[in-house]
Amino acid sequence: SQQGEEDPQALSIQEGENATMNCSYKTSINNLQWYRQNSGRGLVHLILIRSNEREKHSGRLRVTLDTSKKSSSLLITASRAADTASYFCATDMALGSGNTGKLIFGQGTTLQVKP
Amino acid sequence: DVKVTQSSRYLVKRTGEKVFLECVQDMDHENMFWYRQDPGLGLRLIYFSYDVKMKEKGDIPEGYSVSREKKERFSLILESASTNQTSMYLCASLNSDRATEAFFGQGTRLTVV
Repeated sequence: SQQGEEDPQALSIQEGENATMNCSYKTSINNLQWYRQNSGRGLVHLILIRSNEREKHSGRLRVTLDTSKKSSSLLITASRAADTASYFCATDMALGSGNTGKLIFGQGTTLQVKP
Repeated sequence: DVKVTQSSRYLVKRTGEKVFLECVQDMDHENMFWYRQDPGLGLRLIYFSYDVKMKEKGDIPEGYSVSREKKERFSLILESASTNQTSMYLCASLNSDRATEAFFGQGTRLTVV
């Protein structure tokens, strides 16, 4: 079963606006990661937030993590047409030994940024 | 520059054929993954390997097997290809130390006719 559930499934905004995507998950995690996929290509890592962190920034990206609600959000500020892509959250489920384990993805959010 | 390379970008196979999808990484990563991606379903984990000769089933292993004889290579095998296995297949690798990102190959778009 899918660990991560994302919403919305699709998002369309104007250039310059902010885009917010949400991810919920079911079990305990080591960390949560966000990836981007341009059409028909492999995924590229954007940002990682550890289970003991609550917020993280990287350029125009802001990620929050609420482990009590088992949810995360990705905010892209001042969006650009080049941000048009699919965005996926992935949870890193611990195998119990302190090492990372399975990486389970959500269904993704398709973002369209109109010029 | 780190790399995960999948042997084929596009592949067309006939129903009933045995199909091999190969993935090689040059980062000495312990963990490797095979996912399939279908519209509206995101990435679903088929199999996961955390060491040579070690494997674990993902969410949708039926109809698939895997082989990890060497650390750098993780193969996905479709024993008898069926049309419902037409999909995009993505390989990834990850360092098993805590809190690291996964690196993906470019994907193999498999069509079974």
